[in-house]
Amino acid sequence: SQTIHQWPATLVQPVGSPLSLECTVEGTSNPNLYWYRQAAGRGLQLLFYSVGIGQISSEVPQNLSASRPQDRQFILSSKKLLLSDSGFYLCAWSNRPNYEQYFGPGTRLTVT
Amino acid sequence: AQSVTQLGSHVSVSEGALVLLRCNYSSSVPPYLFWYVQYPNQGLQLLLKYTSAATLVKGINGFEAEFKKSETSFHLTKPSAHMSDAAEYFCAVSGEGAQKLVFGQGTRLTINP
Repeated sequence: SQTIHQWPATLVQPVGSPLSLECTVEGTSNPNLYWYRQAAGRGLQLLFYSVGIGQISSEVPQNLSASRPQDRQFILSSKKLLLSDSGFYLCAWSNRPNYEQYFGPGTRLTVT
Repeated sequence: AQSVTQLGSHVSVSEGALVLLRCNYSSSVPPYLFWYVQYPNQGLQLLLKYTSAATLVKGINGFEAEFKKSETSFHLTKPSAHMSDAAEYFCAVSGEGAQKLVFGQGTRLTINP
């Protein structure tokens, strides 16, 4: 069966520090991969999605970037965090771009 | 392009009462529709999905939803609420040719004892 992992689970970082969040999927090949953010009390915001290695689509211009160095690995990065980057970050995968997505457990990021 | 509107950001029902969470969608192609549930500090879990088969879809935890094309709706129901149903619920839409799901803003369900 397929599983999705995210780490770390929680992270507290000062403003201006770098960020790297990792997501990996097991049990499937060539998945579509997604990064979402949930700010406190708000809905899901799609940040990036990827349909293959090295292929990244950005949904919202911002302080973040994404990379997909391997088929089942998706990384979210920032060179300098802002206070507004605080939130709950969710990674998801799908076998087809317009079908259901399966979510990881999330990373709670607090920028201080 | 697709869009989703969830009517009511907060819904409160008594334990044992009917749960009804509303979702209306807009889509230029035949839609695929999904309901997800999110418990505090967890990821989203798929409750049920409609992908052009039966219009009444049954999901996990006793939930079901009915696709009504004429009303462009996909409301989520459960006959009898349980305390463990307290969570955030998201409706999402997609369709052939779309690269991603479009999510509603979510409805927070509270269950009163």
